[in-house]
Amino acid sequence: GENVEQHPSTLSVQEGDSAVIKCTYSDSASNYFPWYKQELGKRPQLIIDIRSNVGEKKDQRIAVTLNKTAKHFSLHITETQPEDSAVYFCAASMGFQKLVFGTGTRLLVSP
Amino acid sequence: DADVTQTPRNRITKTGKRIMLECSQTKGHDRMYWYRQDPGLGLRLIYYSFDVKDINKGEISDGYSVSRQAQAKFSLSLESAIPNQTALYFCATSEGNEKLFFGSGTQLSVL
Repeated sequence: GENVEQHPSTLSVQEGDSAVIKCTYSDSASNYFPWYKQELGKRPQLIIDIRSNVGEKKDQRIAVTLNKTAKHFSLHITETQPEDSAVYFCAASMGFQKLVFGTGTRLLVSP
Repeated sequence: DADVTQTPRNRITKTGKRIMLECSQTKGHDRMYWYRQDPGLGLRLIYYSFDVKDINKGEISDGYSVSRQAQAKFSLSLESAIPNQTALYFCATSEGNEKLFFGSGTQLSVL
């Protein structure tokens, strides 16, 4: 079955810096790659997703890139703000099958 | 607003006790899921259901059972709770386009 690895487990940046979180997946048939953000004490919420027919997707300060050959995808956050502090989870799935999540990255943005 | 509701929010129980966590949704989604969150391990799938008559095991179903009583209700049971089942449990729904909507979570402690 699918296996998703996520790095780093913890990331500290200064406000205004960029942050990058990386994930690799094992099943080359996976074609859907979402990212979820979980603020402290809250539920995970989808922030951006990408499908395998697209190499990059942007939404304001957030972007996701996908390299199908290397089987890895990344979340890029530019101009980080304190409210970006949260745990971020990547995930992968094939079609309408169940999602497999990475282990999470705790991002801390210091003012 | 349509939502995914979990009860209870917190539960403390003793080893060997049977407990049930409940999930109801007003989103009208067919698909429902139970996830477990542990620090450093991310979100792991326990069981999922694509409609009322469909129940499927996830990655870590041992020690758990589920019941899909209606389209809107999906409950998780621990037949005989053990301390390593202490975790944060999330119910989630989706409408088939893979985006998950999570409930607010149930923090379970097994003493």
